[in-house]
Amino acid sequence: NAGVMQNPRHLVRRRGQEARLRCSPMKGHSHVYWYRQLPEEGLKFMVYLQKENIIDESGMPKERFSAEFPKEGPSILRIQQVVRGDSAAYFCASSPGAASYEQYFGPGTRLTVT
Amino acid sequence: AQTVTQSQPEMSVQEAETVTLSCTYDTSESDYYLFWYKQPPSRQMILVIRQEAYKQQNATENRFSVNFQKAAKSFSLKISDSQLGDAAMYFCAYRSYSLISSGSARQLTFGSGTQLTVLP
Repeated sequence: NAGVMQNPRHLVRRRGQEARLRCSPMKGHSHVYWYRQLPEEGLKFMVYLQKENIIDESGMPKERFSAEFPKEGPSILRIQQVVRGDSAAYFCASSPGAASYEQYFGPGTRLTVT
Repeated sequence: AQTVTQSQPEMSVQEAETVTLSCTYDTSESDYYLFWYKQPPSRQMILVIRQEAYKQQNATENRFSVNFQKAAKSFSLKISDSQLGDAAMYFCAYRSYSLISSGSARQLTFGSGTQLTVLP
């Protein structure tokens, strides 16, 4: 019974490149949350998606960041033209439904921008 | 908007002793969930314990228990008989309860964390 999977676990990008982070939720889960953890800080909410729908993106920076959760395949967090300030750990969590209080976290992707 | 505050950036405890981590929060809602998550060096987020605000009884999970003071908006975590494996960053988190709440209410709001060191 696989948990939430994220890949890659570590990603290094030069300034100006694109970063694509993938999240496969637990089996049977159709709700995905993305959080960002800057160094020495707690996790901050970015976006909440259901299959083929963005429900809440109030935590997403207005530019360069986008997310999707297609009908088939993993959820993708995309960061265009990365800058040093994007260096952080990005966590994905999934839940089986909107009413579920519990979110199951993946191991995170550590993005380093050089 | 809800806020969660952890005022202890670092704590240490002797192995086998008891330690309490503090958390306060601010909300205008009456129903909500509170959580403690553990983040070891692997960075994996692990749920330690959960408390529903409508329950007066404090949650307990083996060596972990909480002191939930709703009026004071306080939610502390007590770790008894501390073990070396308890060393980690601990985060307090808040989530709205409403089953028909808007999307924004389903996110977790985290505190800044407390780094716990267990001394042998």
